[in-house]
Amino acid sequence: NAGVTQTPKFQVLKTGQSMTLQCAQDMNHNSMYWYRQDPGMGLRLIYYSASEGTTDKGEVPNGYNVSRLNKREFSLRLESAAPSQTSVYFCASRPGQLYGYTFGSGTRLTVV
Amino acid sequence: GEDVEQSLFLSVREGDSSVINCTYTDSSSTYLYWYKQEPGAGLQLLTYIFSNMDMKQDQRLTVLLNKKDKHLSLRIADTQTGDSAIYFCAVTDSWGKLQFGAGTQVVVTP
Repeated sequence: NAGVTQTPKFQVLKTGQSMTLQCAQDMNHNSMYWYRQDPGMGLRLIYYSASEGTTDKGEVPNGYNVSRLNKREFSLRLESAAPSQTSVYFCASRPGQLYGYTFGSGTRLTVV
Repeated sequence: GEDVEQSLFLSVREGDSSVINCTYTDSSSTYLYWYKQEPGAGLQLLTYIFSNMDMKQDQRLTVLLNKKDKHLSLRIADTQTGDSAIYFCAVTDSWGKLQFGAGTQVVVTP
């Protein structure tokens, strides 16, 4: 099993550009999450999808949008990238509330 | 909301035991987890403990939970160079989502 797959692995954007980070899981998990990781701040939740067809804001949603395309895929979109969005982005999934998360390997995004 | 705190850095000699500590604020946390992150990689689930347990052992890993003090620890016995990584404590919040600490960088020296 591939687990959680994120694309791309690396990306450099200019301020104001847009892009979509892709995430797909093949474990038939119900819930999916997007986090960003910044030095000394741990992981902060951007958006999550508790089940197919639902999405909710996390701790730091401003500047981002998400789409739960189907049960497998959960994408994160930056409409107008800003340098403050330079970070490592992780997608995660889990079967349900009583389980730990399975993480993807991350997307390293730099906005210049 | 939930607040999860960890010390940021731990240095340990190869062969010694490592103890990584974590404190949290939400007494209703049901599941508590330890994740490991190696350089350039995602987070890997190491172990977890249910809130009705005091201790869980899994090979070289021992998790201790003190619910009264809201304190969680991870002990790694016979620490090896491959244990060098960032270790994250995570606990479930009132809505079942995971709240993560900032991570503890563990450096193993020969």
